[in-house]
Amino acid sequence: DAGITQSPRHKVTETGTPVTLRCHQTENHRYMYWYRQDPGHGLRLIHYSYGVKDTDKGEVSDGYSVSRSKTEDFLLTLESATSSQTSVYFCAISDKGGDSPLHFGNGTRLTVT
Amino acid sequence: KQEVTQIPAALSVPEGENLVLNCSFTDSAIYNLQWFRQDPGKGLTSLLLIQSSQREQTSGRLNASLDKSSGRSTLYIAASQPGDSATYLCAVDKGGATNKLIFGTGTLLAVQP
Repeated sequence: DAGITQSPRHKVTETGTPVTLRCHQTENHRYMYWYRQDPGHGLRLIHYSYGVKDTDKGEVSDGYSVSRSKTEDFLLTLESATSSQTSVYFCAISDKGGDSPLHFGNGTRLTVT
Repeated sequence: KQEVTQIPAALSVPEGENLVLNCSFTDSAIYNLQWFRQDPGKGLTSLLLIQSSQREQTSGRLNASLDKSSGRSTLYIAASQPGDSATYLCAVDKGGATNKLIFGTGTLLAVQP
């Protein structure tokens, strides 16, 4: 298995609070991604990174920000959590972008009450 | 806008049967197509990656084909086993070789012993 650790694995938070999810990889892969998975919508890309301090938006980026200060860490922040952000969040990594497969972490289940 | 569809949404087969899962996409301008499996409560596991210039890829009992012009891919599973029971997802890299994948909603496969 690819060395990807997501933390926390589960979190319950209240509406309006900021939340940060962490993704840590030990593979030294250049590309990192945050997806959310919801029933009926499948997986959708939130943000991705193509290098340290290089990030870009995905298709559902509103209400989320990211930071990547080191190759191994990619943080996802919900600036002010809303109930619509209740979801399972997956981090993924890729060595050579579209020339190599995506490898996923085990996910973080976030509940916003 | 790229859309990915997987039919059927669920499939149940007896052990030992050969089966085919279908994936279709609306925009043929893709960089790659990937197949994943997801076990309950887990992240996605990469199965096969087909580059846009390729027609098929094989790994063990799995064979994936790609017909880019018609917007279709199939995942063939030979001699199915109960351990193959999972949700199977296909996804396309919509271009730019960045692995920013658009996912289908998956086919839930149950292999009955």
